[in-house]
This record gives sequence, C-alpha cells and structure tokens, in this order.
Amino acid sequence: GDSVTQMEGPVTLSEEAFLTINCTYTATGYPSLFWYVQYPGEGLQLLLKATKADDKGSNKGFEATYRKETTSFHLEKGSVQVSDSAVYFCALLYGGATNKLIFGTGTLLAVQP
Amino acid sequence: NAGVTQTPKFQVLKTGQSMTLQCAQDMNHEYMSWYRQDPGMGLRLIHYSVGAGITDQGEVPNGYNVSRSTTEDFPLRLLSAAPSQTSVYFCASSGSGGAYEQYFGPGTRLTVT
Repeated sequence: GDSVTQMEGPVTLSEEAFLTINCTYTATGYPSLFWYVQYPGEGLQLLLKATKADDKGSNKGFEATYRKETTSFHLEKGSVQVSDSAVYFCALLYGGATNKLIFGTGTLLAVQP
Repeated sequence: NAGVTQTPKFQVLKTGQSMTLQCAQDMNHEYMSWYRQDPGMGLRLIHYSVGAGITDQGEVPNGYNVSRSTTEDFPLRLLSAAPSQTSVYFCASSGSGGAYEQYFGPGTRLTVT
C-alpha cells in the first residue's frame, strides 16, 4: 500500500545551520505531497505542499521539491532558528472524494542557540 | 473564524468507560477526519466523513464510532475504553476534492487507566 518514510530523529542543530529532513514515498499513482509542522502542545499546520512532479513548495524559508524519479520530497532550510524547533511530518494525499492523508512517523527538530 | 475546535483538551478514563470527543469546524468544510497520534507511529486515520450523513473507516477504526449529522460537527465515540486507546486525538477538516489543505484542531490527550 501507499506509505511515507521519514528520517528518524531527533535532529539537533545549532542556530543558522542547514537543515535537511529526508522523506520518500511509495504510491501507485501521482499523489500530492505535504510537509506539516507541529509546535509543542499544538495541532498540525500545513508548512508547504506540491501537487505534481518537479513542483517546489516553499514557505517561511523552507523548501521541498517533488521528485518523481526518486520518489522523494526532502525538506530543506538554509538557516534554522530556535523557533523552528518542532516535529515535522511528511504526508501524501490522493485528492478526489476522500482527501485521505498518509503520514510519515515525524521527525523532531531541536535547534540550539 | 474559530477554525477546528476540539473538546475536551485532556481526559482520563477508566477501562470500560465510554466518552465522546467533540470536534466542530466553522469553515463549511465537507471533509472531516479523526486521527490518533502515537509515539513513533505518526498520525493514523481512524474515521472520516465526506459530508453530512456519510462516514467511512480509516486505517484503525476498531473501538471507535462516528456519525455526521451536520456539516459542522463530527464527534468520535469510544464505547468501551481500553488502555490501547491512550493517545492524542486530532480532528481535521478540509474542502472536498483536490489537494486541499487540511486544518487540524489542537488535539485531545486521552489516558485510559
């Protein structure tokens, strides 16, 4: 079945370091791909999305490119801040009638000053 | 706009007790869903609804019931709580069809002793 695999955390970085969180997926069709972020004690918020191959999603300095050839959607940021500390979830979705999201296990990012 | 609201925020139940987790949205979204979040497992879909009067099972439906009598509300019922249902529960909603963003509530942390 369809699935999402994320790199395991926690990821600990110093402020201003470069961030990469790997995400790969398995799907029979052409899903849309998402990154959601969960700050401590809160629900999930959409960070960015891409709906077709080669699309690049971006928001708040984060970027991810939908790579069909490698079935990947890695999250990157050039310079992280302490305020970026959160859990990041990669997810895929087939649209149409159901809008069901399939999540990866999440990656905890801790940024130290 | 309140977005997606959930009550209660915290709940402790004894094994065998029943309760209802409330979820409401004020965005006139057709699609609503319930997820549970467990350490190391990401979010897993329990039940979902594509409109009032229509519900379906997700990945982990056993032990939970839902109904959707209005567009706004989507309660989740635990008929006989078990320790395995200790988790954080999130409700989400989105517009129907396509890769629409899902909006998440703040979550309910449930402990079953």
